[in-house]
Amino acid sequence: AQSVTQLGSHVSVSEGALVLLRCNYSSSVPPYLFWYVQYPNQGLQLLLKYTTGATLVKGINGFEAEFKKSETSFHLTKPSAHMSDAAEYFCAVLFLGNQFYFGTGTSLTVIP
Amino acid sequence: NAGVTQTPKFQVLKTGQSMTLQCAQDMNHEYMSWYRQDPGMGLRLIHYSVGAGITDQGEVPNGYNVSRSTTEDFPLRLLSAAPSQTSVYFCASRGGSGANVLTFGAGSRLTVL
Repeated sequence: AQSVTQLGSHVSVSEGALVLLRCNYSSSVPPYLFWYVQYPNQGLQLLLKYTTGATLVKGINGFEAEFKKSETSFHLTKPSAHMSDAAEYFCAVLFLGNQFYFGTGTSLTVIP
Repeated sequence: NAGVTQTPKFQVLKTGQSMTLQCAQDMNHEYMSWYRQDPGMGLRLIHYSVGAGITDQGEVPNGYNVSRSTTEDFPLRLLSAAPSQTSVYFCASRGGSGANVLTFGAGSRLTVL
């Protein structure tokens, strides 16, 4: 069965520190991969996506993610956290077909 | 473009009442879907539609009905609300040049007493 796993429901980093949010998926066929961000009381916004081509993808607000097929992972990183990065982050996968599968989310806290 | 518009933003119901959450998009997207978001459970797909007149069940369809009479609208109906349906509901669509990207509405927060 297909699934998406986000390790760590809560992550805290200091302002200026590296942000690393983990996402793994289970599938024998490489899917399309996405990271979405949700700010308080808002809908989800697309941060970045991987469909085909270069495995390192850059998104908005300085975030990037790397697709590693051998590890079935799509971890999200940002070199230097900013206070405005505090939000909920969701990894999502589009497998063959029409259904997106979302991880359970990681809440990022940035400590001043 | 307004994108995906959901109404109402907030709603309180009593157990057994019915209501409809409205979703409209102006991007001519063929695919529309409804998710519910609950703490610690991420987003779970309720129903989706790949075009007018076509709907299908997602992961958690029980207690919800949908229809798709036009490309623009995809309402979600709760026929007899239960406290377990207290949640935040999101409508999302995709299609066109961004065919693999979901565009979300702002959400509807529903409380069932």
